[in-house]
Amino acid sequence: GENVEQHPSTLSVQEGDSAVIKCTYSDSASNYFPWYKQELGKRPQLIIDIRSNVGEKKDQRIAVTLNKTAKHFSLHITETQPEDSAVYFCAANFGNEKLTFGTGTRLTIIP
Amino acid sequence: DTAVSQTPKYLVTQMGNDKSIKCEQNLGHDTMYWYKQDSKKFLKIMFSYNNKELIINETVPNRFSPKSPDKAHLNLHINSLELGDSAVYFCASSQQGAREQYFGPGTRLTVT
Repeated sequence: GENVEQHPSTLSVQEGDSAVIKCTYSDSASNYFPWYKQELGKRPQLIIDIRSNVGEKKDQRIAVTLNKTAKHFSLHITETQPEDSAVYFCAANFGNEKLTFGTGTRLTIIP
Repeated sequence: DTAVSQTPKYLVTQMGNDKSIKCEQNLGHDTMYWYKQDSKKFLKIMFSYNNKELIINETVPNRFSPKSPDKAHLNLHINSLELGDSAVYFCASSQQGAREQYFGPGTRLTVT
C-alpha cells in the first residue's frame, strides 16, 4: 500500500545541536521525496526535496539523504535555531499524481 | 502577490449546514488538490484535479463535492456538515502532479 512512516513524532534539541528526522516509504517506484515545514497556524512550506537519482542534497543548514535500497530518507538540520521550531513532514510520491505525507514531527528547539 | 489563496480563512457553522470553500492559484499550475489536516496534524489528500479533470478521489464521504470551473480554481462544497468535519482544509497546486506542491493558507472549519 501507499505508506510513509515518520519518526520521531516529537523531538526536542538544544539550540545549536543537530536534529534528524527519519522516514520510510513502501513503494519502491517512488522517486520524489520532499520535506515540508509547518509553523504554528501556517501553511506547510517546501524546504527541500530530493529525487531518486541522488543520494544527498544540502541547502545551507538543512540536508536530506536517501537510501533507495532500504527505502528510507532523512532530514538533517544542523546548528539549530529557535526559528527551526515547527512541525516537519516528509512525503513520497505514489505514481505521478499523488504525494503521501508522513505523520509529522514536532521539533522544539530549546534556547 | 499571493500564489495560492483560499476563502474563507475561518468558518464556524452548525451541524447539518452546507458550506463551500474556494481556492485560487495564480502560478499557472495544471494540478490542484484538497487536503484535510485534523487535530493531530495528519495531512490527508482528499481530491486532485488536473486541468479541470478529477484524477484523485480518496475515500471521502460523498457529502464532499469538489468542483473546478477552470484550472486556476478548485472549490470544495460540503453538505450536511458533521462534527467530525472540523479540521483545517488546505488547497495546494503543482505544475506536474506529485512534484513541488504549494499550499494555500488553509481554512479552519469548526462544526458545532
